[in-house]
Amino acid sequence: DVKVTQSSRYLVKRTGEKVFLECVQDMDHENMFWYRQDPGLGLRLIYFSYDVKMKEKGDIPEGYSVSREKKERFSLILESASTNQTSMYLCASSHPQEFYGYTFGSGTRLTVV
Amino acid sequence: AQKITQTQPGMFVQEKEAVTLDCTYDTSDQSYGLFWYKQPSSGEMIFLIYQGSYDEQNATEGRYSLNFQKARKSANLVISASQLGDSAMYFCAPLGTGFQKLVFGTGTRLLVSP
Repeated sequence: DVKVTQSSRYLVKRTGEKVFLECVQDMDHENMFWYRQDPGLGLRLIYFSYDVKMKEKGDIPEGYSVSREKKERFSLILESASTNQTSMYLCASSHPQEFYGYTFGSGTRLTVV
Repeated sequence: AQKITQTQPGMFVQEKEAVTLDCTYDTSDQSYGLFWYKQPSSGEMIFLIYQGSYDEQNATEGRYSLNFQKARKSANLVISASQLGDSAMYFCAPLGTGFQKLVFGTGTRLLVSP
C-alpha cells in the first residue's frame, strides 16, 4: 500500500527551539507539499518541491524553511518555534504526469509552549 | 490568489438522508480540476471525488456526486444515504494555477446523527 509517512503524530516543543518535521513517501513522486491546518482557515500551503533540492514558497512561508535532499523525503523546519506555529501540519505528494490529486500523510499536531 | 468559499462551517444530517455541501470558487482558468477531500477525526485526508472543468457529466463515486455548475463556478458535493462514518470535515480544493497546487477551502464539518 503506497503511503506518505510523517514521522511524528504529536510533538510538543518549547518556544525558540529548532523543530524538524519529517515526511517520507514511497511512491517515487516528484512533487511534495507542506500545509498547515488551522480551524476556520482550512489548509494553507507553506512550501512545495517539484524535485530534489528544488523548493518554492507557498502562501505562508514566513518562519519556515524546507529541505529536499532525497526524492522520497521532504522536511519542514521551524528555525525558531513560536506559539503561533502551534498547528496541524500535513505533508502530501503527487505525481506530475499522472495527477490524481494528492496523497496525504496522517499529519503532525505540533504544540509550541 | 484563487478564492474558495465553503459557506457552511457546520452541517447536520440524519442517517440515511442526503446532504449537500457547498463550494464556490473563483478562477480565470478555462481548464481546471476540482477535488473534494474528507478528513475524519483521525486527521488523514481522504480523496473523495474529482471533476474536470471540461467533463460533460457530473462526477459520481458511489454515494458521492458533484453538482457542478461551471457558469456559476460552483461544485457542490452531494452525499446520498448518509452514514455515521460520514461525520468528518470536508474540503473543496480547486487546482490552483501553474504548478499542481491544490488550494483548499475552509471546510465544512458534517455531523451525521442516528
